[in-house]
Amino acid sequence: EVQLVESGGGLVQPGGSLRLSCAASGFTFSSYWMHWVRQAPGKGLVWVSRLNSDGSTTNYADSVKGRFTISRDNAKNTLYLQMNSLRAEDTAVYYCARGAVQGVVMRWFDPWGQGTLVTVSS
Amino acid sequence: QSALTQPRSVSGSPGQSVTISCTGTSSDVGGYNYVSWYQQHPGKAPKLMIYDVSKRPSGVPDRFSGSKSGNTASLTISGLQAEDEADYYCCSYAGSSPFVFGTGTKVTVL
Repeated sequence: EVQLVESGGGLVQPGGSLRLSCAASGFTFSSYWMHWVRQAPGKGLVWVSRLNSDGSTTNYADSVKGRFTISRDNAKNTLYLQMNSLRAEDTAVYYCARGAVQGVVMRWFDPWGQGTLVTVSS
Repeated sequence: QSALTQPRSVSGSPGQSVTISCTGTSSDVGGYNYVSWYQQHPGKAPKLMIYDVSKRPSGVPDRFSGSKSGNTASLTISGLQAEDEADYYCCSYAGSSPFVFGTGTKVTVL
């Protein structure tokens, strides 16, 4: 069974840092693009970042560029999101999601993890 | 990149059909045949329902169908069932951005 499990969320003060993890299982993790998508409480989904299969290509939403860093450890089947200089508006549930197989055009997200809540507040 | 525009809510009785629109621009919905749709029940993770405008992943009932005309994509749920009550989000590839989601639509089964 393909599974994604996020962890690392919690309460952090404005200006602080947090690292999220997403443990993957049930598929060849090292062959897929991976994404982070977030959802503020009561709000819609917002794409945050993506990383290709070998970690050499990244993209970020303008709202997090320069503050967030996406990375992966293919030996550990784990995706990360390092979040620095956190702001109140970064408060959200953060989901990791599987993207395309490297080299194949697949512009969708499937499956998604259950999400981890990040709360930025003093 | 602005969010795609969806109606805030739609509703229908069991057995009826409902259609959710998703309006973007020529830089996203209108420029690519890469629209996907996600169903999200309260407190749950989103689930892929439609990809590449009109394709259904295995396991998704054929009551769900997708289409696109110009800068607007649509999701139709035919034969509405109680378990279809959820939030639905469209998403489009947008080139350099590279993905933009819709504002979300709450589907209510009366």
